[in-house]
Amino acid sequence: DTGVSQDPRHKITKRGQNVTFRCDPISEHNRLYWYRQTLGQGPEFLTYFQNEAQLEKSRLLSDRFSAERPKGSFSTLEIQRTEQGDSAMYLCASSLGLFYNEQFFGPGTRLTVL
Amino acid sequence: AQSVTQLDSHVSVSEGTPVLLRCNYSSSYSPSLFWYVQHPNKGLQLLLKYTSAATLVKGINGFEAEFKKSETSFHLTKPSAHMSDAAEYFCVVSDMDKIIFGKGTRLHILP
Repeated sequence: DTGVSQDPRHKITKRGQNVTFRCDPISEHNRLYWYRQTLGQGPEFLTYFQNEAQLEKSRLLSDRFSAERPKGSFSTLEIQRTEQGDSAMYLCASSLGLFYNEQFFGPGTRLTVL
Repeated sequence: AQSVTQLDSHVSVSEGTPVLLRCNYSSSYSPSLFWYVQHPNKGLQLLLKYTSAATLVKGINGFEAEFKKSETSFHLTKPSAHMSDAAEYFCVVSDMDKIIFGKGTRLHILP
């Protein structure tokens, strides 16, 4: 399967713990996006990379959140000192080029913070 | 500033009848507009996109949408609903460097 993959698919953690999610985009895609989706809402943009450069960060991305794409391939999203409000589905997408190109989404990582 | 409003959170139609999912947008630039569908426990999938070419855009599974600049609308339609169309639908607006999803419309298909 050459689609976007995310790992893990589900994560349950206790408040205050750190968690890290991984996204593997479609191999030839230079852009990689992270979104957060809560129940009953559309995905909210968090950040995106063009190759290894992080070009935009939403104000939703607090200091506890950090994302990397070290070699312009896979990406990680880390949340430090998790809070119950961080419980959500975290989606990754990749695309070729600009924002008007189709984004291909992964299945998401569902985070539950107890 | 850009925004997108999906006018209905839930829409119910009978199988075989037309579908209309409404979307209004605002954008400072000439936007690109998309409709994505999300089936339960599946990833988001692109249905169709408008990027300043033809105003009537045809997508997958018989869906189409019309870009109306004067009304700032991009409504999604399908002539005849099928049970497999039951899902969440998101209208998306994108310009130079921002992308915004609407809150979604859940489409219910009645037998």
